[in-house]
Amino acid sequence: DADVTQTPRNRITKTGKRIMLECSQTKGHDRMYWYRQDPGLGLRLIYYSFDVKDINKGEISDGYSVSRQAQAKFSLSLESAIPNQTALYFCATSDSGQGSYEQYFGPGTRLTVT
Amino acid sequence: QKEVEQDPGPLSVPEGAIVSLNCTYSNSAFQYFMWYRQYSRKGPELLMYTYSSGNKEDGRFTAQVDKSSKYISLFIRDSQPSDSATYLCGAQGGSEKLVFGKGMKLTVNP
Repeated sequence: DADVTQTPRNRITKTGKRIMLECSQTKGHDRMYWYRQDPGLGLRLIYYSFDVKDINKGEISDGYSVSRQAQAKFSLSLESAIPNQTALYFCATSDSGQGSYEQYFGPGTRLTVT
Repeated sequence: QKEVEQDPGPLSVPEGAIVSLNCTYSNSAFQYFMWYRQYSRKGPELLMYTYSSGNKEDGRFTAQVDKSSKYISLFIRDSQPSDSATYLCGAQGGSEKLVFGKGMKLTVNP
């Protein structure tokens, strides 16, 4: 079984709809992250959480919100989706005891906003 | 200017070639430097990391950091078709957030 899972794997939605992407991990890590990947722009950090009560904005948080429901669960919401949020979204985890440079990524969610 | 710059390529080489992938960075506070490899339709995976300046070798892969010139390099010897992937350089400083380059798509042709 995968250590970091993301649901759904693919999603097509319409402009203005609210959508939630979910991430679960069985690695026991305390830190979790959400990134988006766009061709030509690479991986960019949206939000990160160093523990259940800690939520921080990343490089591109506008239009997104997150919820850390438990140590193992971190969800990303798009309150009102727009076409330029079409991208590949990755969740990642790391262990504070081993350094945040070693992150474990999920398989990604391909989101298309029409 | 992004804090970590990487030529997105793509790069195509014959099997057996030596591959050199490079990045530059601008933030002097970065202490950890890493290379992630991402196969098609998969999430990135950590390939190697280096703390501060110096070299690190792992089989056919060598990671090199020159802090004086703010240069990050990855060398692949005897490249194989299975090395075909996107390679992302990254750096981390005191904030413990990773900053990634754009990623270089490498194809090794048999």
